Amino acid sequence: AQSVTQPDIHITVSEGASLELRCNYSYGATPYLFWYVQSPGQGLQLLLKYFSGDTLVQGIKGFEAEFKRSQSSFNLRKPSVHWSDAAEYFCAVGVDTGGFKTIFGAGTRLFVKA
Amino acid sequence: EPEVTQTPSHQVTQMGQEVILRCVPISNHLYFYWYRQILGQKVEFLVSFYNNEISEKSEIFDDQFSVERPDGSNFTLKIRSTKLEDSAMYFCASSSGGEQPQHFGDGTRLSIL
Repeated sequence: AQSVTQPDIHITVSEGASLELRCNYSYGATPYLFWYVQSPGQGLQLLLKYFSGDTLVQGIKGFEAEFKRSQSSFNLRKPSVHWSDAAEYFCAVGVDTGGFKTIFGAGTRLFVKA
Repeated sequence: EPEVTQTPSHQVTQMGQEVILRCVPISNHLYFYWYRQILGQKVEFLVSFYNNEISEKSEIFDDQFSVERPDGSNFTLKIRSTKLEDSAMYFCASSSGGEQPQHFGDGTRLSIL
């Protein structure tokens, strides 16, 4: 069955420090992978996506993610975190089981301290 | 940038009542979805809709749920007889292709009393 695991429920980093959010997926076919961000009371905003090709993908707001097929991982990174990055981050995999759907991980809440 | 819009932003309904959640997808998108997020939990897929029919649905999407695209712009989710456990944030999404990223609305918070 398809699934997405985000092992960290929450992470706290200092402003200006680097960030890595972990994501592992389980899917038998070529995955379509996404990272979304959700601020409190808001919808889900797409940060970046991976379909094929270059395994390092760039997204909005200075985020990037690296697809590693051998590890079934798609970790999100940012070299220098800003206070406005505090939010919930969801890794997701797009699957085609006759109809398309997105399966989300449980999310990682990012706290940024001054 | 075009957006998915959802109305209302918050809906309070008595248990057993019918509720309709409304969504206006991005105009040139062809695939439509509903998800829900119970407070503090992950986002869960409910249903996908393409070419005027359901293409995929989860086990959550039972006979109490239905979706409709009544005209060229709206996409609705109806819950026929609401239960307390239907309380959640409901997100509508749309995409230009099945494998393309889905664009989400800001959600409707449904509270069942």
